Amino acid sequence: DVKVTQSSRYLVKRTGEKVFLECVQDMDHENMFWYRQDPGLGLRLIYFSYDVKMKEKGDIPEGYSVSREKKERFSLILESASTNQTSMYLCASKKEYSNQPQHFGDGTRLSIL
Amino acid sequence: DQQVKQNSPSLSVQEGRISILNCDYTNSMFDYFLWYKKYPAEGPTFLISISSIKDKNEDGRFTVFLNKSAKHLSLHIVPSQPGDSAVYFCAASLFTGKLIFGQGTTLQVKP
Repeated sequence: DVKVTQSSRYLVKRTGEKVFLECVQDMDHENMFWYRQDPGLGLRLIYFSYDVKMKEKGDIPEGYSVSREKKERFSLILESASTNQTSMYLCASKKEYSNQPQHFGDGTRLSIL
Repeated sequence: DQQVKQNSPSLSVQEGRISILNCDYTNSMFDYFLWYKKYPAEGPTFLISISSIKDKNEDGRFTVFLNKSAKHLSLHIVPSQPGDSAVYFCAASLFTGKLIFGQGTTLQVKP
């Protein structure tokens, strides 16, 4: 079974802090994704990575950056947290070049005060 | 511009009846469609998918129908069970593997 693990279930940070969200997958998947989920907006793609050291902007990359130094780990960074980044953050992974579905972690509920 | 839309934010059905969740899309280049189910405080879990070359796919109580001319897909759950109560997201895939999600529909199945 694919396991996608997000380091924190709940996180509270202050405005202006630099925030790191970590995601690890154990299935040797090439593709990894970061989304945020907000009521009425569904899941919106922030960044994705096709493979190690590769990254692509998604639909809402502003205020975020990512890092993929190892295949199994994909980190989302909030450079200077703001209250409008309070949200549920979801990480997913997928095998490259396949129609296999993306597998999700359980999410990190991030609150910025 | 919302490329994938779920126009019904919520749906309530009686246990044992059929649940029909709908999804519309605008981009004819989408080649693969998926449904995910999400419980509170958990990540979405994959439910069922369909390729753009098919018009129907079944898996147990779940059937997905694709109408390419109308750019519409639907998920049928028969019979509905209380454990099916969750948020359902439809998603469409481009050849890149990127998914575009709808806003979600909250299904409540009443005993």
